[in-house]
Amino acid sequence: GAGVSQSPSNKVTEKGKDVELRCDPISGHTALYWYRQRLGQGLEFLIYFQGNSAPDKSGLPSDRFSAERTGESVSTLTIQRTQQEDSAVYLCASSRRDRAYNEQFFGPGTRLTVL
Amino acid sequence: AQTVTQSQPEMSVQEAETVTLSCTYDTSENNYYLFWYKQPPSRQMILVIRQEAYKQQNATENRFSVNFQKAAKSFSLKISDSQLGDTAMYFCAFPNFGNEKLTFGTGTRLTIIP
Repeated sequence: GAGVSQSPSNKVTEKGKDVELRCDPISGHTALYWYRQRLGQGLEFLIYFQGNSAPDKSGLPSDRFSAERTGESVSTLTIQRTQQEDSAVYLCASSRRDRAYNEQFFGPGTRLTVL
Repeated sequence: AQTVTQSQPEMSVQEAETVTLSCTYDTSENNYYLFWYKQPPSRQMILVIRQEAYKQQNATENRFSVNFQKAAKSFSLKISDSQLGDTAMYFCAFPNFGNEKLTFGTGTRLTIIP
């Protein structure tokens, strides 16, 4: 079956512009996560959605970052007034959350470059 | 707060050799899972192997196995008969209790030399 997809694959923007990153999770996966990966570093948690519950936004680095998810479908991560330090790969993952272990399936990521 | 430490930024081995990547972590939980993920140049994160903390037996998946030392909070990955396709970044990851968000180490860049 189809895996997690993300678009665009690459995004180049100018400092101060807003960007939207999209994630299509695996069908039936109730949980969705966004992570940020800076060059040469591990992944940092940003936000978590589980079904219709309130999202866990504890990882968002500033109020310029926000995310939405409609039900158990597509999610959009929005970064307003982008800064150069926002340059990174943004990865989305989804999972079923119906097993003792929570295997997260990752998308290929969006590489964001802020000039 | 949970932490995950990978002390080997880069490693390289000859094809067909065995290599071990190290990972240590810190947690106050007693029952948990640990994961190793592989990230090739394509950026796609792929789950390599998982270990359940309450199991004493080390997990094995084909050429990949772990050495899990719960008391020492150590979780190393051994790759046997290494292949060129094993070239990638490898991340150790620990799920947070509750929302299961993953805390990742900084990764080890593994290069398999032909």
